[in-house]
Amino acid sequence: DAKTTQPPSMDCAEGRAANLPCNHSTISGNEYVYWYRQIHSQGPQYIIHGLKNNETNEMASLIITEDRKSSTLILPHATLRDTAVYYCIVRGSSNTGKLIFGQGTTLQVKP
Amino acid sequence: EAQVTQNPRYLITVTGKKLTVTCSQNMNHEYMSWYRQDPGLGLRQIYYSMNVEVTDKGDVPEGYKVSRKEKRNFPLILESPSPNQTSLYFCASSWGGSNSPLHFGNGTRLTVT
Repeated sequence: DAKTTQPPSMDCAEGRAANLPCNHSTISGNEYVYWYRQIHSQGPQYIIHGLKNNETNEMASLIITEDRKSSTLILPHATLRDTAVYYCIVRGSSNTGKLIFGQGTTLQVKP
Repeated sequence: EAQVTQNPRYLITVTGKKLTVTCSQNMNHEYMSWYRQDPGLGLRQIYYSMNVEVTDKGDVPEGYKVSRKEKRNFPLILESPSPNQTSLYFCASSWGGSNSPLHFGNGTRLTVT
């Protein structure tokens, strides 16, 4: 699975959009981009995933560049409860099914 | 509500006393997995199961056992716990395949003294 690079931390004002970037320049054609978040020591929470097209669900939007070498997770109206560590993960068709979590981005939403 | 349930949430035990952490999912998922999370090391896969009666080692299987007798349950067994197994443990499940999100339980914080 391709390696990802994320900024270690970001701040966002409450009510504003949070845009979290991720670089995955070595991604292969059949690898998906996944986003998870972890609040304190709770279980990682699935947010969204995509292959080539942009995706949107009730939590967030995922924008993947045309060359697929980077992506951005967008939380449209960040709240204090969105403060968490956000992980961008590239996932291929590994037999183990595992996710490889990097260091992630700590998003601090401020009032 | 679709969920992965782990029990207990917190467990303190002594070295050598066998313990089991239970994991159950109600989504009829075929794939289940266990991870441990340690500061500075991130989440590491312990064991996984592609289906009933099929289990395999992950990256850090030493000191752990698992079983998958039913699709919904995937217990993690520590036959003789040691202090280096003090960690935060997560169970996860999915339909399987790279296009299927992995859903995690809320974790079990284990302390072995």
